[in-house]
Amino acid sequence: EVQLVESGGGLVQPGGSLRLSCTTSGFTFRAHYMAWVRQAPGKGLEWLGRHRDRANGNIIDYAASVKDRFTISRDDSTNSLFLQMTGLSTEDTAMYYCARVFRSQYCDYWGQGTLVIVSS
Amino acid sequence: QSVLTQPPSVSTAPGQKVTISCSGGSSNMGRNFVSWYQQFPGKAPKLLIFDNDKRPSGIPARFSGSKSDASATLHITEVETGDEGDYFCGAWDSSLGLVVFGGGTKLTVL
Repeated sequence: EVQLVESGGGLVQPGGSLRLSCTTSGFTFRAHYMAWVRQAPGKGLEWLGRHRDRANGNIIDYAASVKDRFTISRDDSTNSLFLQMTGLSTEDTAMYYCARVFRSQYCDYWGQGTLVIVSS
Repeated sequence: QSVLTQPPSVSTAPGQKVTISCSGGSSNMGRNFVSWYQQFPGKAPKLLIFDNDKRPSGIPARFSGSKSDASATLHITEVETGDEGDYFCGAWDSSLGLVVFGGGTKLTVL
């Protein structure tokens, strides 16, 4: 069974940093692109970025809105995906989901999400 | 402000059919495939449709998709009360280099 479990969310002050983790199991992690998607309360989905697999150069694509503040990384030895966030603002308050990607753009499996609240 | 445009809400009665529209532009839906996701309150999204009209394993045939130029439609037949939730369209945007989504449509089954 494919499973993705995010962790690391919580309350952080504006300007602060946070590192989210996504632990996966049930599939060959190293062979898949992975993505982070967030959803602000009551809002739609926002694609944050995608980490290609090693066979495709481990290239990372970011949304312009987070490119200079967020860093996506992966550890194929532990089947984990990470999202390092810096310079957080209240606009970053959202549920953050990691997702397995197939055909480069489709999120076929999602974690349950981890909530990030940026507030003073 | 979402890149793709969806109606905020649609409603129908159990057993009826409903459609949800999604429109985009030349850099996304006009040249790339469309996907649809279903989301229930407090839950993660679930992939319903990919490549405009394909269903992942386990998705009932009641759900189907179509696309014409830069517009797409999600069709749901024999609607059930359990279908109530939010539906999002998505597409790769070749100019932005990422997936863009619609703002979501809330389906109410009266």
